[in-house]
Amino acid sequence: EPEVTQTPSHQVTQMGQEVILRCVPISNHLYFYWYRQILGQKVEFLVSFYNNEISEKSEIFDDQFSVERPDGSNFTLKIRSTKLEDSAMYFCASSGGVNSPLHFGNGTRLTVT
Amino acid sequence: AQSVTQPDIHITVSEGASLELRCNYSYGATPYLFWYVQSPGQGLQLLLKYFSGDTLVQGIKGFEAEFKRSQSSFNLRKPSVHWSDAAEYFCAVGATGGSYIPTFGRGTSLIVHP
Repeated sequence: EPEVTQTPSHQVTQMGQEVILRCVPISNHLYFYWYRQILGQKVEFLVSFYNNEISEKSEIFDDQFSVERPDGSNFTLKIRSTKLEDSAMYFCASSGGVNSPLHFGNGTRLTVT
Repeated sequence: AQSVTQPDIHITVSEGASLELRCNYSYGATPYLFWYVQSPGQGLQLLLKYFSGDTLVQGIKGFEAEFKRSQSSFNLRKPSVHWSDAAEYFCAVGATGGSYIPTFGRGTSLIVHP
């Protein structure tokens, strides 16, 4: 069964550094998402992406965040200048249609020190 | 905006016992409803979904859930729990009008005793 893959599985970075989290969605999917889960808290929506542009974003997704689909297979989340509170598990997801369930990757655990 | 409440942070059951995980949602119309499971070190796997039609939904791994509009609930059930069911379970709701993007509850951690 096709799956969403995320790399790396764990990323450690220093406060103020830029990080890029990478995702390869399911190949025939058109809708892409990033969610995050701070330890012990809810899974929170960050951003959705369709047709090479952001379709929706949450209040969490401020100017420090950006997304890109650079080459038709990868979908990346960039955090420009990381803060301690950015430490979380980041999940990428994709879906085949607007009413189709999301398929999630295994996540990237980001630790900001 | 829609929201989800999972009132139980932890649930402990014995292997072979029945299971019910609670989920209540807030949304003005009929929502899309989902249950996902997260095993340690894994991503979120879809167990089942409700979009419309029969309010009793069958999913993978022997799970089922029932949509009860009058109670704004979508509880997850399994008649006999296996040790491998120990995981984190997330209920999610999507809006049928406006943003479809699922909003998740905070999750219920299922512990299974042998």
